[in-house]
Amino acid sequence: AQSVTQPDIHITVSEGASLELRCNYSYGATPYLFWYVQSPGQGLQLLLKYFSGDTLVQGIKGFEAEFKRSQSSFNLRKPSVHWSDAAEYFCAVDPYNTNAGKSTFGDGTTLTVKP
Amino acid sequence: ETGVTQSPTHLIKTRGQQVTLRCSSQSGHNTVSWYQQALGQGPQFIFQYYREEENGRGNFPPRFSGLQFPNYSSELNVNALELDDSALYLCASSLAMDYEQYFGPGTRLTVT
Repeated sequence: AQSVTQPDIHITVSEGASLELRCNYSYGATPYLFWYVQSPGQGLQLLLKYFSGDTLVQGIKGFEAEFKRSQSSFNLRKPSVHWSDAAEYFCAVDPYNTNAGKSTFGDGTTLTVKP
Repeated sequence: ETGVTQSPTHLIKTRGQQVTLRCSSQSGHNTVSWYQQALGQGPQFIFQYYREEENGRGNFPPRFSGLQFPNYSSELNVNALELDDSALYLCASSLAMDYEQYFGPGTRLTVT
């Protein structure tokens, strides 16, 4: 069975600073990997996804993530954080070659942005 | 194009009661997945429906059941509610074999 670990429960960064959120996964085959953002009282919004190919993927809102198979990691990055990025971020993995939507999620990282 | 909608927004029930939550898929999507998100945790996969049939289930007891209708909308039913069932219930729709799900805003269930 797959699992996802987000080692950082809470991260605080200053506005304009760079950001990296860590995600480690455990899965026996080629993973399908995702990052979602959740603002208070709202559902999840997909930031980016990785299926295959280029290990550096670009997403919405200026986010990117890098897949590193050797480290079983899929870390999310942003070069310059904006106050509106404050939210909870979830990493998720889907089983290979099945319908989307049987995702295993990490427990999330809460991002606080200081002015 | 309307997104995924869920009803009700909030619900308070008493332990032992039964509850039904509803989800309308995004237009054209034939797959619906349900997740339970307890406070401070990530969403946990409950089950998925594809063309009105259950298509995978997570580690949830049989008192969690569901339906999908011909228009691809869906219901989640929970019987014999327990205090630990208090959570945000998320519904997500997708097109089969398209690896992108679209989430609704969720239903906040409180069991007292």
